[in-house]
Amino acid sequence: QKEVEQDPGPLSVPEGAIVSLNCTYSNSAFQYFMWYRQYSRKGPELLMYTYSSGNKEDGRFTAQVDKSSKYISLFIRDSQPSDSATYLCAMRRAGGTSYGKLTFGQGTILTVHP
Amino acid sequence: NAGVTQTPKFQVLKTGQSMTLQCAQDMNHEYMSWYRQDPGMGLRLIHYSVGAGITDQGEVPNGYNVSRSTTEDFPLRLLSAAPSQTSVYFCASSYLGQGDTQYFGPGTRLTVL
Repeated sequence: QKEVEQDPGPLSVPEGAIVSLNCTYSNSAFQYFMWYRQYSRKGPELLMYTYSSGNKEDGRFTAQVDKSSKYISLFIRDSQPSDSATYLCAMRRAGGTSYGKLTFGQGTILTVHP
Repeated sequence: NAGVTQTPKFQVLKTGQSMTLQCAQDMNHEYMSWYRQDPGMGLRLIHYSVGAGITDQGEVPNGYNVSRSTTEDFPLRLLSAAPSQTSVYFCASSYLGQGDTQYFGPGTRLTVL
């Protein structure tokens, strides 16, 4: 069983829809959570970063972490065609030796059509 | 700044051949790493380095070697290519204390026949 599970989709939504992307994890040692966005044929780029349980908002994006359920989500409001990409959740353990040692989900392919 | 650059963009190898994937960054980042990305598997860490002269293994290191002689460069060597190493390879870098904010290169698409 993978430590991090993410529904690969693909997910297709109309412009303006609210999108919900989710990951579950099995290792309670994971303490830091990220969402990376990857456009086709490009490298991933960091979209959201959070440590604590709860919500973190940045513009149209909200990251949600529920450590008790080992579940994280990314919500995209008023989705745009430019949001079409693969979204990867990532996480790591606490501690200085864990810096950069990210465990990624499989990625969800999202298409927002006009 | 060019950021993180990778060469080549594409490569086809025959089984048993060796090659080096190049990675360079101009942001003076201490931390550099190599990932491979396969369908349905996400990104998996191959090797990483926290500074010149210091490297360590990640999740899937077998068949790969790395070295870090300078802060800027972190080449990945395939010793004897196998079809299982067909993948897209990404190099990433970050400041050591900000390892979660990794800057990725554009990737190298490798096919091993």
